[in-house]
Amino acid sequence: NAGVMQNPRHLVRRRGQEARLRCSPMKGHSHVYWYRQLPEEGLKFMVYLQKENIIDESGMPKERFSAEFPKEGPSILRIQQVVRGDSAAYFCASSPNTPGDVTEAFFGQGTRLTVV
Amino acid sequence: GNSVTQMEGPVTLSEEAFLTINCTYTATGYPSLFWYVQYPGEGLQLLLKATKADDKGSNKGFEATYRKETTSFHLEKGSVQVSDSAVYFCALTSRSSASKIIFGSGTRLSIRP
Repeated sequence: NAGVMQNPRHLVRRRGQEARLRCSPMKGHSHVYWYRQLPEEGLKFMVYLQKENIIDESGMPKERFSAEFPKEGPSILRIQQVVRGDSAAYFCASSPNTPGDVTEAFFGQGTRLTVV
Repeated sequence: GNSVTQMEGPVTLSEEAFLTINCTYTATGYPSLFWYVQYPGEGLQLLLKATKADDKGSNKGFEATYRKETTSFHLEKGSVQVSDSAVYFCALTSRSSASKIIFGSGTRLSIRP
């Protein structure tokens, strides 16, 4: 059973371009979370999705950022018109049910976005 | 709201020293508590967990006990190794924040040979 797969591992974008980050959850997991980690800082929650639904996007910036988790295929975190401040590591995690039921989340290795 | 506060780093110890990384939490209801570890350039891995008061999670020589009376979940290891050098995150989930895992800010641990 493969773990959570994120790609690409490293992504370089020029200011103003779009960044697309992909996350394939573990087999059988229907819940996906995205977190952002700035250098030398902790993890900040961005968004929580189930298949075809956004459950909680309270950590997402209001502009330029969007996320989806379609019925088929990976979850996508999309950042439009990137700026230098978007440079960070973006981690995806998946779980088979809601965290309130005590199951831990499994993390991917992250996508390190650098905006030049 | 729910939150996690953990000991600020960096923490530097000599090999075979005793380790404690403090973690306290604020939560309504009965949270589940976790320690995650992040090695350089990697994602987070679950180290241990505890789901109810007085539970002790343990793994790879690390232990943490869920203390409801002090709202704490301190991480301990009796004899650290150089390979334990990493960033450690305390975290919680609860039904009152069912949509996300809440992390502490992380504690960087460096072990000297």
